[in-house]
Amino acid sequence: DTGVSQNPRHKITKRGQNVTFRCDPISEHNRLYWYRQTLGQGPEFLTYFQNEAQLEKSRLLSDRFSAERPKGSFSTLEIQRTEQGDSAMYLCASSLAGTDYEQYFGPGTRLTVT
Amino acid sequence: GEDVEQSLFLSVREGDSSVINCTYTDSSSTYLYWYKQEPGAGLQLLTYIFSNMDMKQDQRLTVLLNKKDKHLSLRIADTQTGDSAIYFCAEKVPNTGNQFYFGTGTSLTVIP
Repeated sequence: DTGVSQNPRHKITKRGQNVTFRCDPISEHNRLYWYRQTLGQGPEFLTYFQNEAQLEKSRLLSDRFSAERPKGSFSTLEIQRTEQGDSAMYLCASSLAGTDYEQYFGPGTRLTVT
Repeated sequence: GEDVEQSLFLSVREGDSSVINCTYTDSSSTYLYWYKQEPGAGLQLLTYIFSNMDMKQDQRLTVLLNKKDKHLSLRIADTQTGDSAIYFCAEKVPNTGNQFYFGTGTSLTVIP
């Protein structure tokens, strides 16, 4: 069990570019979550998958954001036409259905939009 | 919506006890959590308490829950410099899916 991993750890992009982040959950975990954390704040929920199905999306998830989990294992979060306000840490977490009161977080991807 | 509040900063001397406090608004919260975040890192689950409990102890950590006042605290005994980090309180509220609601975090500084 290597824990939740995320790639890349850091991404710097110019405004208007598209970016994609990847999350690999703990191997037996069937639930996967994306959160966004801005400086000085706690994480805010973006979206959640159970296996490959995206079951919830926050109002924070604008139409420029899309997340997928095609085979129920790793997930990608894409941001199109990035804006400076998208600069944040994007955190992924995973849990096992039945024990989803325990969510384990990855190290995050820090996005800076210039 | 759910609102979780924490004081922003706490400073203690090495060896002393630290107490980090949190208040939440939703009385139907089922689980309440403490996470630790070190600089540049993700969140580490420290401990959690089910809402029908008043106290939970895990080695140096003691969690106290006062449901009447919607108050949660984390006590760290014999605080060490490695405990310096940001501590987040979070709640899981039924019927809001599986998302957690986090506070703004308390930055703990341990002075040697």
